[in-house]
Amino acid sequence: DAGVTQSPTHLIKTRGQHVTLRCSPISGHKSVSWYQQVLGQGPQFIFQYYEKEERGRGNFPDRFSARQFPNYSSELNVNALLLGDSALYLCASSLKGGQPQHFGDGTRLSIL
Amino acid sequence: EDQVTQSPEALRLQEGESSSLNCSYTVSGLRGLFWYRQDPGKGPEFLFTLYSAGEEKEKERLKATLTKKESFLHITAPKPEDSATYLCAVLGNFNKFYFGSGTKLNVKP
Repeated sequence: DAGVTQSPTHLIKTRGQHVTLRCSPISGHKSVSWYQQVLGQGPQFIFQYYEKEERGRGNFPDRFSARQFPNYSSELNVNALLLGDSALYLCASSLKGGQPQHFGDGTRLSIL
Repeated sequence: EDQVTQSPEALRLQEGESSSLNCSYTVSGLRGLFWYRQDPGKGPEFLFTLYSAGEEKEKERLKATLTKKESFLHITAPKPEDSATYLCAVLGNFNKFYFGSGTKLNVKP
């Protein structure tokens, strides 16, 4: 079975632009979470979605938003990009909230 | 403040030299503690889930334990392929996950 897939794998943007990152969960998983990981640190929780509804939110500004589609795939959107948004963005899926999460290999976002 | 602290930040072991990694937490409403392994350029790989104090889980050379304030990941007779960053995560109230900064393990042959 395919694992969690994320696209694109790498992305370069400039300050002020907008970006959309995509995630496909493991088949049968209905919960998707998004994380930001800066080099040398652990992942920071951004959002959790379950059955297309937001179920958890971390301490990120409103420039960050997400949604989950009927097929359980998800998008993370970031507006007005800042240099500090440069990071690895990870998506994780689980059967439902609170269950062990399985991660994709992330999207490496670089802001110039 | 809810947080997860891992120690040490880095650990160098000789092949076969057993040791333990620590994860201490101050998170309200613990709903689960998770251990992951992360290799460079990859996403974290799930290892264990612990839900209550006293619980233990084992997988090959790894054993995870949980108390009310901390968790340990014991590595018995490690091999070079065990080299990776080990991450601890805690699920708290409002479905929030809190990750530690990880322990970077290097096992030398």
